[in-house]
Amino acid sequence: AQSVTQLDSHVSVSEGTPVLLRCNYSSSYSPSLFWYVQHPNKGLQLLLKYTSAATLVKGINGFEAEFKKSETSFHLTKPSAHMSDAAEYFCVVIGRGNEKLTFGTGTRLTIIP
Amino acid sequence: DGGITQSPKYLFRKEGQNVTLSCEQNLNHDAMYWYRQDPGQGLRLIYYSQIVNDFQKGDIAEGYSVSREKKESFPLTVTSAQKNPTAFYLCASSSLGSYNEQFFGPGTRLTVL
Repeated sequence: AQSVTQLDSHVSVSEGTPVLLRCNYSSSYSPSLFWYVQHPNKGLQLLLKYTSAATLVKGINGFEAEFKKSETSFHLTKPSAHMSDAAEYFCVVIGRGNEKLTFGTGTRLTIIP
Repeated sequence: DGGITQSPKYLFRKEGQNVTLSCEQNLNHDAMYWYRQDPGQGLRLIYYSQIVNDFQKGDIAEGYSVSREKKESFPLTVTSAQKNPTAFYLCASSSLGSYNEQFFGPGTRLTVL
């Protein structure tokens, strides 16, 4: 069994300040983890993925995430928020040999001008 | 351009009517998926297919049906048996194999009046 918990349903930051979106996971096997972004009324776009290579993963648009097995976490960060980052972000886990994704409930990121 | 198309973008139907949502991909992916998204929730898997003429139920298959007659197409029918069909529906596709990312279409917003 596998699951993800996104610890904040809504995060607000000022433009130019750091972003932190938190995700904890649970998996019976070594997991693969993803972060997806969804802009309003759009499909989901992959930001980055972890598949047991380097624990610090760099993605698109300046985002990165660090896999911490001891803390079962995969938090998403960005040094400086931009207005275009305003969207819904989903943390996703897939277990070994399992094609099915398990989604978190999402974190809505608001950027304050 | 390679990608996934869903049509229509918005769909309105009267209660008790069946409705079919279209999903087409030209990525040559073997696997295709249908998800339902409700406000404040993550995506929930309705059906998925890993090969033509075969598909499996996801977590919330009741009241839905699918077909996979062609590799490129995976239409979803929302039947009158679905108790609460108003939602945002997302189609996705991926290559087979572990840890492969899923590519998402732009979604169809279904409203049942």
